[in-house]
Amino acid sequence: DVVLTQTPVSLSVTLGDQASISCRSSQSLEYSDGYTYLEWYLQKPGQSPQLLIYEVSNRFSGVPDRFIGSGSGTDFTLKISRVEPEDLGVYYCFQATHDPFTFGSGTKLEIK
Amino acid sequence: VQLVESGGGLVQPGKSLKLSCSASGFTFSSYGMHWIRQAPGKGLDWVAYISSSSGTVYADAVKGRFTISRDNAKNTLYLQLNSLKSEDTAIYYCAEMGYWGQGVMVTVSS
Repeated sequence: DVVLTQTPVSLSVTLGDQASISCRSSQSLEYSDGYTYLEWYLQKPGQSPQLLIYEVSNRFSGVPDRFIGSGSGTDFTLKISRVEPEDLGVYYCFQATHDPFTFGSGTKLEIK
Repeated sequence: VQLVESGGGLVQPGKSLKLSCSASGFTFSSYGMHWIRQAPGKGLDWVAYISSSSGTVYADAVKGRFTISRDNAKNTLYLQLNSLKSEDTAIYYCAEMGYWGQGVMVTVSS
């Protein structure tokens, strides 16, 4: 099974600063169709998760352009520029390239 | 878009339960759907996927015990949970990934 390793486990950021989360895969996430099915989710406290980024770098509808996904192959990054209070929560990467699909273990973003 | 799960509850180890997810606001039959769970205080754990053409994929931990299915005429997704174990205790979410339900709690305990 594909293992997604997220770092750091937790992150404390000052409002207005940038945050960066890494997601490394045990296998390349490029599918045979040329797409890379790597997604990022945010679970705010007490809420269901919400999709932020799909196919590495595409923002889902309504997601602010402060959220930027990048990467390829086995190495992916989510950057959040100008962190705002509503960004706190746990961030997860998720791969749907290889069966079975898998989530990373999560990165908790706290506001200083 | 709305996804509403139901069917959760307290069940004894070894028993069965069937979860439902009622979908509205989109063309349900055109989309693949997932079940994802979250044990208390833990991270997200992907469980199963069914494509629009009803192809299925399962996590190793549930393969052979859980069955995902769909009824496009009823706009409903299902998850049949058999041979339940204490480690299956979790909130179960149905999701199209862009959209998630509020989740339903399954507790496996004697």
